Amino acid sequence: DVKVTQSSRYLVKRTGEKVFLECVQDMDHENMFWYRQDPGLGLRLIYFSYDVKMKEKGDIPEGYSVSREKKERFSLILESASTNQTSMYLCASKAGAGEQETQYFGPGTRLLVL
Amino acid sequence: QKEVEQDPGPLSVPEGAIVSLNCTYSNSAFQYFMWYRQYSRKGPELLMYTYSSGNKEDGRFTAQVDKSSKYISLFIRDSQPSDSATYLCAMSLYNFNKFYFGSGTKLNVKP
Repeated sequence: DVKVTQSSRYLVKRTGEKVFLECVQDMDHENMFWYRQDPGLGLRLIYFSYDVKMKEKGDIPEGYSVSREKKERFSLILESASTNQTSMYLCASKAGAGEQETQYFGPGTRLLVL
Repeated sequence: QKEVEQDPGPLSVPEGAIVSLNCTYSNSAFQYFMWYRQYSRKGPELLMYTYSSGNKEDGRFTAQVDKSSKYISLFIRDSQPSDSATYLCAMSLYNFNKFYFGSGTKLNVKP
């Protein structure tokens, strides 16, 4: 079974803090993703990575950056947290081309920015 | 127009009922179709994955894809209270790292 883990289930941070959310997958997947999920807005893609050190912006990258130094690990960074970044953050991974075209999600990190 | 439309519900049914969840989409190029189940405050869990048109069955769950109508369905037979969750449909193109999600249908199965 694919396993995607996220470093924290719940986080409380203050406005202006730098926040790191970490995600690890154990299936040697090429692709990894960060989404945020908000009521009424659904899942929105922040960034994705298709290889180590490679990244592409999703639909809402503003205020976020990412890092992928190792294939299994994908980090989301909030450089200066703001209250409008309070959300559920979901990491996902997906195999490479020619394999199953579907994503597997982690358990999510619920972030509250005060 | 959204790429994927899904009725948000909530849908409330008695235990044992057959549940039908649906999504419509606008992009005829979509080839891969998924259903995820998401319990409250948890991450989405992959339930069903289908390629192109047709049916796929897994236990009490059946996924149907009708590409001519741009319509996908998830049927749950003999629904259980443990099926109470939000169900998300998703679709994508081949080797394309963008997935299009429905907004989710909240299902409540009453004992």
